[in-house]
Amino acid sequence: DQQVKQNSPSLSVQEGRISILNCDYTNSMFDYFLWYKKYPAEGPTFLISISSIKDKNEDGRFTVFLNKSAKHLSLHIVPSQPGDSAVYFCAASGSASGTYKYIFGTGTRLKVLA
Amino acid sequence: DAGVIQSPRHEVTEMGQEVTLRCKPISGHDYLFWYRQTMMRGLELLIYFNNNVPIDDSGMPEDRFSAKMPNASFSTLKIQPSEPRDSAVYFCASSKINYYNEQFFGPGTRLTVL
Repeated sequence: DQQVKQNSPSLSVQEGRISILNCDYTNSMFDYFLWYKKYPAEGPTFLISISSIKDKNEDGRFTVFLNKSAKHLSLHIVPSQPGDSAVYFCAASGSASGTYKYIFGTGTRLKVLA
Repeated sequence: DAGVIQSPRHEVTEMGQEVTLRCKPISGHDYLFWYRQTMMRGLELLIYFNNNVPIDDSGMPEDRFSAKMPNASFSTLKIQPSEPRDSAVYFCASSKINYYNEQFFGPGTRLTVL
């Protein structure tokens, strides 16, 4: 039972345009969300996070939006660059459950075309 | 900072053989995590340790899998006997004690069981 879902396995975007990656979750106890980026033959690296007390967090070209009522978050990359081509994982965690662990989605492969 | 170190980077073995994956976390990090990445399930948490003590092993698929952390700077994940369906990339990650904290991933071990 996948509690964190990334329904788009892949996405292609033209350089300079906006990339939007989506993530849905099922557990209303989740209160902290992260995005990781992964290049081939490397481990995932942290990109950006958001707490459930916020609905938006911005870091340079990267913005994460959280819609708690819809149990949905999205990552916006503006403008997209070829170096952004990677697999993006969203992850969720719930402090209320008393467990310190993240549940990851299956990932979305982003390809930014030059 | 050397980051999280994993060895070997690649492992090819035959079904039925024992496989041992190794991890050295970042110095000063109190949490250590073992993940498995597959196309179907994305990044799955297998087990995590806090101060060398296993806290949650609910993700360990079956008794063939075992993990140890004899000290703060070393952990192993063992599969005995290995099966072809164990073929995946295995990641180790570590983080500081605080909640709402990013995890730092190693480069992973690509395991192929023939």
